[in-house]
Amino acid sequence: AQSVTQLGSHVSVSEGALVLLRCNYSSSVPPYLFWYVQYPNQGLQLLLKYTTGATLVKGINGFEAEFKKSETSFHLTKPSAHMSDAAEYFCAVRTGYSTLTFGKGTMLLVSP
Amino acid sequence: NAGVTQTPKFRVLKTGQSMTLLCAQDMNHEYMYWYRQDPGMGLRLIHYSVGEGTTAKGEVPDGYNVSRLKKQNFLLGLESAAPSQTSVYFCASSYTLGLAGGQNTGELFFGEGSRLTVL
Repeated sequence: AQSVTQLGSHVSVSEGALVLLRCNYSSSVPPYLFWYVQYPNQGLQLLLKYTTGATLVKGINGFEAEFKKSETSFHLTKPSAHMSDAAEYFCAVRTGYSTLTFGKGTMLLVSP
Repeated sequence: NAGVTQTPKFRVLKTGQSMTLLCAQDMNHEYMYWYRQDPGMGLRLIHYSVGEGTTAKGEVPDGYNVSRLKKQNFLLGLESAAPSQTSVYFCASSYTLGLAGGQNTGELFFGEGSRLTVL
């Protein structure tokens, strides 16, 4: 069965610093992987996704993620954090044909 | 452009009461989902539907029922609410590629959530 593990329930960075949120996956088939973001009191929205092809995926708001099969990882990065990036981030893997399984989430805290 | 709309947004129930959460989407999506979100647990899939008239169980279906009588609506019911069902419930929908087998690309469109408290 496919699953994802997010390392760290909370990550704190200073404004302007590198953001690195970690996600490792387990899958018996080539995975479809996703990062979603949730701002306070809102639903989730898609940041980026990897299906096939290029392993470095660029998303919205300057975020990107790299699929590394050898490390079973799909870490999310942003070169320079902004206060508006403070939110909860979820890694997810497609399960079967029609569902997603989410990780437990990582809260990103950005300090001035 | 409404997207995915959930009603109600807040509800307080007593143990044993019943209620229905309504999800409506205006994007003509085939797939619809109900998730619950609890602190430290992420999102867990309750039930989902791959088309009008179909439903399937997710990871945590016990205590919930669903119906998809119309393509645009997906109802989540609690027949006898329990305190363990206190949570934030999210509805989502998605489209398919239309390929053989109807593969879902995985981009879900979420509603804003319904906060349910069971006393």
